[in-house]
Amino acid sequence: RKEVEQDPGPFNVPEGATVAFNCTYSNSASQSFFWYRQDCRKEPKLLMSVYSSGNEDGRFTAQLNRASQYISLLIRDSKLSDSATYLCVVNPFNFGNEKLTFGTGTRLTIIP
Amino acid sequence: NAGVTQTPKFRILKIGQSMTLQCAQDMNHNYMYWYRQDPGMGLKLIYYSVGAGITDKGEVPNGYNVSRSTTEDFPLRLELAAPSQTSVYFCASTPRRGETQYFGPGTRLLVL
Repeated sequence: RKEVEQDPGPFNVPEGATVAFNCTYSNSASQSFFWYRQDCRKEPKLLMSVYSSGNEDGRFTAQLNRASQYISLLIRDSKLSDSATYLCVVNPFNFGNEKLTFGTGTRLTIIP
Repeated sequence: NAGVTQTPKFRILKIGQSMTLQCAQDMNHNYMYWYRQDPGMGLKLIYYSVGAGITDKGEVPNGYNVSRSTTEDFPLRLELAAPSQTSVYFCASTPRRGETQYFGPGTRLLVL
């Protein structure tokens, strides 16, 4: 099983719709979780961290389900500018393991 | 703050040539990382550093070398370039282990 697994998509969604992505992780001891956004031919940028209680930032909501080992990202009232690849990122937090683990990304296209 | 800067933006190398990809950050971050990203794939960690003078291998270190003589700079050296090293290279930094990483704009490398 991959450490971090995402549905690659593509998701083609009409403008104004709601879309949700899931991401599963294999290490139950993982401590911190993030969603990054990557535009075409650009660097990844942090979209939001994911907290145990769930968190919201405007139209974006992130949830963590530790029992089932997945995190989700919900985008409401989608805009054309939301078109991007969304990367699920997990910190396994093993002692001596200094790295984050990146999923391969879910590609989202918002259709006018 | 310039954040994380990378040079060059784009480079074409012939097989067997060598080059150094430059990365610098002005945020006084201890942790720095080099990733490569192949089309449709996730980010793969090449090398990382937890502070000046300390470096360690990531998932895909073969064919690369790094050094970290200062907190600000973390150059990546390619010796004897091969077509398999054609990729986009991202440098990233973070102030603390497991936290949000800040990425540079990337270097696109083509080895012919």
